[in-house]
Amino acid sequence: IAGITQAPTSQILAAGRRMTLRCTQDMRHNAMYWYRQDLGLGLRLIHYSNTAGTTGKGEVPDGYSVSRANTDDFPLTLASAVPSQTSVYFCASSETAHHGYTFGSGTRLTVV
Amino acid sequence: KNEVEQSPQNLTAQEGEFITINCSYSVGISALHWLQQHPGGGIVSLFMLSSGKKKHGRLIATINIQEKHSSLHITASHPRDSAVYICAVYNNNDMRFGAGTRLTVKP
Repeated sequence: IAGITQAPTSQILAAGRRMTLRCTQDMRHNAMYWYRQDLGLGLRLIHYSNTAGTTGKGEVPDGYSVSRANTDDFPLTLASAVPSQTSVYFCASSETAHHGYTFGSGTRLTVV
Repeated sequence: KNEVEQSPQNLTAQEGEFITINCSYSVGISALHWLQQHPGGGIVSLFMLSSGKKKHGRLIATINIQEKHSSLHITASHPRDSAVYICAVYNNNDMRFGAGTRLTVKP
């Protein structure tokens, strides 16, 4: 792989179910991010991690959790999915917050 | 009022035209990003600016920190430039995005 890999590409999920969106990068970037993109609202930051072992909350963190056990992986977990979490989710990484970003190809999640 | 405002929302141009997309923001920032989102949904980072001007091929990005304004210029536009261009401002672990400008370049 080169860059960022997100999985799955798309998913239909029953409300109340737990789901983990996977994100893996092979660039040894320190910083990683999760965004959601909704029509009319644009991109919004959910959670971020500036380095392995640390995480922080973004603009819309409620209902989501993340972990950063190592440099490469930054999974996003929905503990109990709700229909308002239907969105396209993008993972991104950067060497530091003041460098350009590399984005994954996105995960389209539908919660029914 | 959104913290990051882009104009225009939609832009249609003929191939070869000079394009300008504007971004104004109301918050303090340490960096500004320009992103390109292709019709298929993929997002590419074009520029990261904290001052002045950057150029990459036919793309030029400028920022005026005092006026809280940035512009993205495309010279000699081409149909393959058709995409949504998104301005994003970063400060203190927080990134805020504009709604995007949808550019269509006709042959």
